[in-house]
Formats: sequence, structure tokens, C-alpha cells
Amino acid sequence: EADIYQTPRYLVIGTGKKITLECSQTMGHDKMYWYQQDPGMELHLIHYSYGVNSTEKGDLSSESTVSRIRTEHFPLTLESARPSHTSQYLCASSVTGGHTIYFGEGSWLTVV
Amino acid sequence: AQSVAQPEDQVNVAEGNPLTVKCTYSVSGNPYLFWYVQYPNRGLQFLLKYITGDNLVKGSYGFEAEFNKSQTSFHLKKPSALVSDSALYFCAVRGPTDKLIFGTGTRLQVFP
Repeated sequence: EADIYQTPRYLVIGTGKKITLECSQTMGHDKMYWYQQDPGMELHLIHYSYGVNSTEKGDLSSESTVSRIRTEHFPLTLESARPSHTSQYLCASSVTGGHTIYFGEGSWLTVV
Repeated sequence: AQSVAQPEDQVNVAEGNPLTVKCTYSVSGNPYLFWYVQYPNRGLQFLLKYITGDNLVKGSYGFEAEFNKSQTSFHLKKPSALVSDSALYFCAVRGPTDKLIFGTGTRLQVFP
């Protein structure tokens, strides 16, 4: 099992609210990722980071933003949530030189 | 561009029978291939990977996968299916800059 934690697991919020999804890993991995997944559907990379103060946008355009101030922490923020943001968000990490990417349990976001 | 294809949306198999979940890939250079499993309302769990070496790769929970370079395939197999194997299975390839590129997923249903 990988030591990567996401909070909250489930969140229901109103339109226009600001939310932050937390992701932490205790493995010292330098690379971290955020994927978005609609229920039972494929995963799309929305953000990634190769280390502290490094963030890049992924293949799927997203209105969310991320930060990487500490190695172990990679939060994702939506400044103004909309119903179209309803989805599952999966955080992942890996180490440079390693091959496997490990995932957290996911955060289910519902915007009403 | 790197990509994987999972041609079957769903695979149905009776408990005790062998199962196969198909994956084909398209990469430039040597492929790094992965299988992940997702149970309902959970994150992705790593099952196995092919990096180099033996074409038959063994992984968690009795699963194995066969890398076939000539057919550009990486099918997931298990000799005897369990009801508890019912889940969503994703094939993935390691793309440029270490990102994972996922297939569309295959839902495995094992019937008692």
C-alpha cells in the first residue's frame, strides 16, 4: 500500500464556493499528479509537479490550480466551484527513477 | 504519441473460469506498461508492470500479464476468476515526462 492521503473523501458544496482538496504523501516522492475521473470513466491528467515550486498543467484543461510548497503536500484549489466541476479527483505520486505511480483513495466532489 | 486501447467496455466471466482483459499499446521506443484496478468509490491500486525482461509479468492477487511486442499487446490474465475480482481495470503506458496515459477502462464482472 502506498502512503498517500487525500481529504476530504467526499464533499458537497454550493456553486461559487472556494474549495481545496488536500493531498499528502509520506514516501518522499518528488513527483506528484492530479487526475480527474468521471464515475466509471477514464482518467485525465490535470496537473503535475516534479518538485517543490514546480507545477505544470496536464493534458486536460482545468480551472483548478495547484501549489507545491512542500515535497509532501500538493493541494488542488477551485476558486469558484461550478456543477461542471463535479467529479472524482485522484492524487498520485512517484519517485524519480522509479516506474510506478501510486494513487490515493480519491476525493469525490459534488457541486450543487 | 503514446496511447493504450482497451477494446472491451465490459468482460463477463463465471467464477473459477480463466479471465483475460485486453490492452494494446502504441508507443515510440520501449514501452513501460501498467495495470491498475479500481474498486467502487476507491482510488487506483497498482497490480503489475512491464518494464523489461520476461514477457510474462506476475502481479498482485494472482494476476499476470503477457507482453507481446509483435502484437503490441499487454493483456491481463488470471487462471481462475473470483467474484471479488469484479472491478474496473485500467491499462496504462508511461508517457513522456513520466506521466501515465490511461486506457478507457474495462469493467470485469465475475458471476458466481
